[in-house]
Formats: sequence, structure tokens, C-alpha cells
Amino acid sequence: QVQLQQWGAGLLKASETLSLTCAVYGGSFSGYDWTWIRQPPGKGLEWIGEGHHSGSTNYNPSLKSRVSISVDTSKNQFSLKLSSVTAADTAVYFCARVCSSGWYNWFDPWGQGTLVTV
Amino acid sequence: SSELTQDPAVSVALGQAVRITCRGDSLRTYFASWYQQKPGQAPVFVIYGENNRPSGIPDRFSGSSSGDTASLTITGVQAEDEADYYCNSRDSTGNHRVFGGGTKLTVL
Repeated sequence: QVQLQQWGAGLLKASETLSLTCAVYGGSFSGYDWTWIRQPPGKGLEWIGEGHHSGSTNYNPSLKSRVSISVDTSKNQFSLKLSSVTAADTAVYFCARVCSSGWYNWFDPWGQGTLVTV
Repeated sequence: SSELTQDPAVSVALGQAVRITCRGDSLRTYFASWYQQKPGQAPVFVIYGENNRPSGIPDRFSGSSSGDTASLTITGVQAEDEADYYCNSRDSTGNHRVFGGGTKLTVL
């Protein structure tokens, strides 16, 4: 069974760069897209972007200028960097696998979440 | 505001059925997936399409889609179904993913 374990700095100052990593255990890594999602305190989910083992990426237009997602197939890990953070970036950040079947896509499983406070 | 619209809150009596909806123009082209989130926990994938559930999700959860609306129906609601529910699909361009604003389900 695939499990995702994420980690990274939980307290940042404004203008710093957020950096999180998610490791994938127990399943195939290549052939999937891997995504990051965040949730500000008391609010809903926001899709940040995703990366593929091929190196292709896709980002939320509202964050595109500040976000970078990279995939390391040698370590079965993927990472998120978000630059120039402000208090508005305070949120719980989740990593997840993107699954596909025909026209259907879904996120499963999810990491445990990391609270990042700016 | 999200391109996928959900009712902020829905309530249902124990044992009854409830439908949670997700509306957006992109749903005329793209399918939705649904997630359950309980306080302090990561979201859990519940269903995509009509009856495509992961193992561990009860068959009282079902999905459907018509026009610009995707729906998650829970029949015979249990107390443990009280949670926030989110839909996810594509935005109007089809190039990016987007979540609905979420629906808080209260079981009475």
C-alpha cells in the first residue's frame, strides 16, 4: 500500500522560501503525477500544482510566479518550493498522488499534512 | 471564488439520505472526484464517477453527474459521516485543477 510521508520547515518569516518534501513508500513512483495542495486555517482546499517524473509541471495560475515542484525518481520523492511567502501563505500543506483512469482523475493517497506558519 | 460551487453547509437526520452538489461549467466536460475531511485530518478520497470507490469506503457513498453538476449522495447517513466534503475537477480552461469551496455535513 502506497504511503506518503512529508516534511519541511514549519515556521518562516515573510519573504523567505517555503520548502517541503514528500517521500513515496510502497508503490510505483514513475508513471504518476504528484501534487501539492494547501488549506489555510479554517478554509477550503487549494490546488497548488503538480509534477511528473518526466519533469513536466502544471501550476495554479495564481501561484505560478512563485511556485516550483520537482520530482526525484532516484529517491521516490517530490518537493515544493514557494518563494517570497507572506502571511497569506500560512496553511497546512498536503502532498498527494494523482491517479488516472480514462477521463477520471483523483488524489489518493495523501500525506499527513504540514502546517507552515509565516 | 472557486470555479466549482458547493453549498457551504448541509444537514441530515441520522439514517436518512443526503445529496451534496458541486456546480461548474467545466463539469459539462470533466468529471469530479470527492474527498471527505474530518477535523485535524488529511482529506480522504471517497469516490470518482458513479461507484468508483477505494477499498474501505462504504457503498452508501455514490456519485453522479448531470450537465454542470456533480453530486455525492450518502444513503443511510451515519454519525461518522459528519465531515467536510470537497469536489475536485478541472477549471474552465481545462488546464488546471480546482476544488470546490467545500460542504460541511452535519448529522442530526
